[in-house]
Amino acid sequence: GQQVMQIPQYQHVQEGEDFTTYCNSSTTLSNIQWYKQRPGGHPVFLIQLVKSGEVKKQKRLTFQFGEAKKNSSLHITATQTTDVGTYFCAENTDKLIFGTGTRLQVFP
Amino acid sequence: SAVISQKPSRDICQRGTSLTIQCQVDSQVTMMFWYRQQPGQSLTLIATANQGSEATYESGFVIDKFPISRPNLTFSTLTVSNMSPEDSSIYLCSVGSGWGMNTEAFFGQGTRLTVV
Repeated sequence: GQQVMQIPQYQHVQEGEDFTTYCNSSTTLSNIQWYKQRPGGHPVFLIQLVKSGEVKKQKRLTFQFGEAKKNSSLHITATQTTDVGTYFCAENTDKLIFGTGTRLQVFP
Repeated sequence: SAVISQKPSRDICQRGTSLTIQCQVDSQVTMMFWYRQQPGQSLTLIATANQGSEATYESGFVIDKFPISRPNLTFSTLTVSNMSPEDSSIYLCSVGSGWGMNTEAFFGQGTRLTVV
């Protein structure tokens, strides 16, 4: 079946630096959701994008959905140590299928 | 929102035995979902638990290995049968506020299973 790939797999940044993770699909996505999983925790919903080219912001986080609805990105401005965790994109149809995830480590 | 109580939170089991994981939701939901998350990996959907009918399994997962019960709209169990060390993983249950547009998924805290 389809797999949604995310890059990079890992990212280590210094606190204050920016971070971006990219989500790519070989097929058109009906929507894209983003989740954050803290170490030892469970995934927590961040946002959903539905429209082609859609951009949404949550404080330091900016989410984009590609024009072709085959890719998405999450950008964090000026990372903080509280941003540590794994970020997953996922397509939500009749079930939720997760991307491969990007693990973010932030050094103080 | 939905609050999901999942137990046990962790267990260490002998190979060849079975473990049943329980999930209780604080509201009635049509579908519940069971995921496996192997160390350092993403979440893989095992099956969809439907109330009143058999669970729907994803490719690579079978009922004999992962039997699921869904006796009512607030509860489900997943059993990991005849365990081997390869079954060591985190198992999570999940529900949605609805499935499709404008919905989000909620997860239990997970069950960390170690098979020795």
